[in-house]
Amino acid sequence: NAGVTQTPKFQVLKTGQSMTLQCAQDMNHEYMSWYRQDPGMGLRLIHYSVGAGITDQGEVPNGYNVSRSTTEDFPLRLLSAAPSQTSVYFCASSFTGAGNQPQHFGDGTRLSIL
Amino acid sequence: AQTVTQSQPEMSVQEAETVTLSCTYDTSENNYYLFWYKQPPSRQMILVIRQEAYKQQNATENRFSVNFQKAAKSFSLKISDSQLGDTAMYFCAFREGTYKYIFGTGTRLKVLA
Repeated sequence: NAGVTQTPKFQVLKTGQSMTLQCAQDMNHEYMSWYRQDPGMGLRLIHYSVGAGITDQGEVPNGYNVSRSTTEDFPLRLLSAAPSQTSVYFCASSFTGAGNQPQHFGDGTRLSIL
Repeated sequence: AQTVTQSQPEMSVQEAETVTLSCTYDTSENNYYLFWYKQPPSRQMILVIRQEAYKQQNATENRFSVNFQKAAKSFSLKISDSQLGDTAMYFCAFREGTYKYIFGTGTRLKVLA
């Protein structure tokens, strides 16, 4: 059972480049989300989705786009990378958006912007 | 706005001893959910324990238990019989009826042999 799969695990970009972080889950979860983790700041929500075709902004959405064309996939796009986007990115999913559902996390992507 | 505060950036404990990690939160809601997640050096986020605010009984999962004080908005994690494998960053998280989790800044726990 793969769970939540994130690719790539590591990436280095130059300022201004664009890229897509991939996230896929095989648990038929409705709810998916993207976080960034920075030292001393915990995890901050970037975007989330409650189902295919439905997305919404989290706490720090600027500079990022998402789409949810299928239940399984929830890619995160950096349109024009900036050094401030250097971070570790986590994708997470849960069966529903119900409050007591724990999130299942991917292993993270370490992204460096030069 | 909801906030989650973990006031202990780092802690250490001797193997086999007990340690308590603190977490406080701020909300005006009555129904919500609280979680503790563990992040070992492998970076993977692992659910440790969860608590529903409407339940007065404190949650317990093997060596892990919580002290949930709703009036004080406090949600501490107690780890009994600490093991070397408990060395990790621990995050407290809050979730109300919306779809958004709010995470604390984490406590780095080191278990000493």
